[in-house]
Amino acid sequence: AIRMTQSPSSFSASTGDRVTITCRASQGISSYLAWYQQKPGKAPKLLIYAASTLQSGVPSRFSGSGSGTDFTLTISCLQSEDFATYYCQQYYSYPTFGQGTKVEIK
Amino acid sequence: QVQLQESGPGLVKPSGTLSLTCAVSGGSISSSNWWSWIRQPPGKGLEWIGEIYHSGSTNYNPSLKSRVTISVDKSKNQFSLKLSSVTAADTAVYYCARKDSNDAFDIWGQGTMVTVSS
Repeated sequence: AIRMTQSPSSFSASTGDRVTITCRASQGISSYLAWYQQKPGKAPKLLIYAASTLQSGVPSRFSGSGSGTDFTLTISCLQSEDFATYYCQQYYSYPTFGQGTKVEIK
Repeated sequence: QVQLQESGPGLVKPSGTLSLTCAVSGGSISSSNWWSWIRQPPGKGLEWIGEIYHSGSTNYNPSLKSRVTISVDKSKNQFSLKLSSVTAADTAVYYCARKDSNDAFDIWGQGTMVTVSS
């Protein structure tokens, strides 16, 4: 299995901050990476696929980059509705997810 | 727009079989998509269980393959999950999801909590 490791596991931020979450794959996965947002009691929501392509309807403050083994999700200006847990997921082989990064209010 | 809805027992006894169904509405299960089951233990991360195409072709997570069966019923526009020999470690919220043409999970059901307990 391809192991996905996110960092940090959690952090606190303020509205308006620029935040970055990192995801590292245990082997190269080209650009076969997606990012999801999950709020408590809800299903995950697709934000980005193919490492950097924004899903339709997702605000442009979200962006993704990377290829191979190292990837980042950036939120350019954190909004109140962005406090949630974020997961990366590879689909180079059978799907595996990172452990999640919880973004909390400072 | 396509919507997914999971259903099934919320409580399963240890060593029993967990059975869930995902109803697809607003679209056809015979579209060019794979349909997946994904689970999330309380307070933990996401684990892909397996997927099915409308033809009946399946792929499973190797760690669960010996216990998992996913099937499709095109007449009812739904697909199902069976997980056998369950233990407390199988307690989780179970989601069904659609994999889109970009191979990402673009549509999810609301999830259903299944507890394994006697």
